[in-house]
Amino acid sequence: KAGVTQTPRYLIKTRGQQVTLSCSPISGHRSVSWYQQTPGQGLQFLFEYFSETQRNKGNFPGRFSGRQFSNSRSEMNVSTLELGDSALYLCASSLTAGGPYYEQYFGPGTRLTVT
Amino acid sequence: EDQVTQSPEALRLQEGESSSLNCSYTVSGLRGLFWYRQDPGKGPEFLFTLYSAGEEKEKERLKATLTKKESFLHITAPKPEDSATYLCAVDTGANSKLTFGKGITLSVRP
Repeated sequence: KAGVTQTPRYLIKTRGQQVTLSCSPISGHRSVSWYQQTPGQGLQFLFEYFSETQRNKGNFPGRFSGRQFSNSRSEMNVSTLELGDSALYLCASSLTAGGPYYEQYFGPGTRLTVT
Repeated sequence: EDQVTQSPEALRLQEGESSSLNCSYTVSGLRGLFWYRQDPGKGPEFLFTLYSAGEEKEKERLKATLTKKESFLHITAPKPEDSATYLCAVDTGANSKLTFGKGITLSVRP
């Protein structure tokens, strides 16, 4: 069974540009969550989508947005990039959204560098 | 606000030297506690989920336990391939939002 895939794996952008990252969940999984990982802040929750609806959002500015398609694939977009947006962006998928028993499986991440 | 604290930040062990990693949490209501392993440059790899105090789970040399305030990841007779960062996370809400600790970097010397 294929795991979570993320594209691209590495990205270099300039301040002020925008970027779109893609995530394909494990087959059959309907929930996709996004996290930002930096050395200083660790893993921080960005948002979560289930059945094309955003169900939860972390404390990030509006420059960070996302969406989910009918096939559960998800994209996140960051506009007007800042140097502080340099991070590893991780996508996680789970069979359901929340509930008493679920497990989140992570992809390899997209390493974004903003110069 | 939910808080997860992991200690120590880094741990160096000799191969075969057993030890425990600590994850303490302050949350309004715990729905699940997760342990992940992360290798450099990779995404976190799921290890365990614990749901209630007193629960224990084992996988090879790893054993995770849970109390009402903390969780321990016990590593028995570690090998160099166990070297990684171990992350603890809690779920306290109705949606799939995990709050992570900063992680513990484990180094096992041969």
